[in-house]
Amino acid sequence: DTEVTQTPKHLVMGMTNKKSLKCEQHMGHRAMYWYKQKAKKPPELMFVYSYEKLSINESVPSRFSPECPNSSLLNLHLHALQPEDSALYLCASSQALGGAGIVGQYFGPGTRLTVT
Amino acid sequence: GENVEQHPSTLSVQEGDSAVIKCTYSDSASNYFPWYKQELGKRPQLIIDIRSNVGEKKDQRIAVTLNKTAKHFSLHITETQPEDSAVYFCAASSSGGGADGLTFGKGTHLIIQP
Repeated sequence: DTEVTQTPKHLVMGMTNKKSLKCEQHMGHRAMYWYKQKAKKPPELMFVYSYEKLSINESVPSRFSPECPNSSLLNLHLHALQPEDSALYLCASSQALGGAGIVGQYFGPGTRLTVT
Repeated sequence: GENVEQHPSTLSVQEGDSAVIKCTYSDSASNYFPWYKQELGKRPQLIIDIRSNVGEKKDQRIAVTLNKTAKHFSLHITETQPEDSAVYFCAASSSGGGADGLTFGKGTHLIIQP
């Protein structure tokens, strides 16, 4: 099973709202990721969690706050977003091979976020 | 950081012909190179990947080749079919001693002409 699930599918929020995106995988993967994808562009890495610890933050503004409650779940908390943050937010997971890198990164269906 | 260049940006081929998409990367530490297919409104779907200790990998009509010395890798699709029409992304990942995210190329819009 190579299934990564994300909720909600669509989200519309105002600039003063607080909301959360959720991601779940049951493949036993120990690396999980958040990416942002704008229309007609490739995904851009935001955060990497390895063994439930934040290992990479690609200089993402603090209005995006990731959380990894356990090895199967990944959240992205959103607060005081701007209209330019509207995008498809993709979660992914992969096997982590320790010092040898990763293999098999699988994406969820994404959350389509609109900030008004 | 890693930089991945992908060409061409659009590729139109006749059904049944072959398609080749090429990527180059900059970081010699990169060791994992996946290819994704993304249809409109859908998630990127992993179609094939290769690690840097392998030069070529094939899965039915799809193959990937890697030249570590030249830092380039290519996707080959043979006997193309209408359902192959999509945007294809190459990507690269460095081990960095642990999990690392992917750096993507800009994508190739593959159009299969009937």
